[in-house]
Amino acid sequence: KNEVEQSPQNLTAQEGEFITINCSYSVGISALHWLQQHPGGGIVSLFMLSSGKKKHGRLIATINIQEKHSSLHITASHPRDSAVYICAVKGGATNKLIFGTGTLLAVQP
Amino acid sequence: DSGVTQTPKHLITATGQRVTLRCSPRSGDLSVYWYQQSLDQGLQFLIQYYNGEERAKGNILERFSAQQFPDLHSELNLSSLELGDSALYFCASSAYGTLGNEQFFGPGTRLTVL
Repeated sequence: KNEVEQSPQNLTAQEGEFITINCSYSVGISALHWLQQHPGGGIVSLFMLSSGKKKHGRLIATINIQEKHSSLHITASHPRDSAVYICAVKGGATNKLIFGTGTLLAVQP
Repeated sequence: DSGVTQTPKHLITATGQRVTLRCSPRSGDLSVYWYQQSLDQGLQFLIQYYNGEERAKGNILERFSAQQFPDLHSELNLSSLELGDSALYFCASSAYGTLGNEQFFGPGTRLTVL
């Protein structure tokens, strides 16, 4: 079993829909990252969280440390949101990042 | 544009060869991270340098090595290349030394080993 699990693996949505991507982890962590990777390959860091909730524009990320779970929400989705979304955690006891396998999101017009 | 540059963009080489990938961090960032993304393994953290010193080590093979120079640019050296080393190699930088800091990613180097 992977230490970081994402769901769903693939997601297709219609433009305007509210989207949720989930990340569960089994290790103690000190920080969690959400990354976006576009079809061309480039990676953008969306959020870095250690507690609570953060918001950037239409994107919201939440983390529940007790439940070892984080969610990434996209409101009013748009075709340009189509990308792979990757969750990564920094283990509290280890000094390295562990990645989830990613969620491939396709938003259709 | 993240401010992180990587060269070359593409690299095609043969098994057994050695290559060097280069990364220049954002101005002012002291930490550089290297990642490998292959089709079968996904994204993996390789190694982190902070202000010239190795700070954290991930799944980096012994055939691979890295260093960070006084001007803070970093190089990842891959030797005795195998077909399975074909992957996208990303560099990222952050201002500080802990992996919990926000990272800015470069565009990546696509390595193909034939």
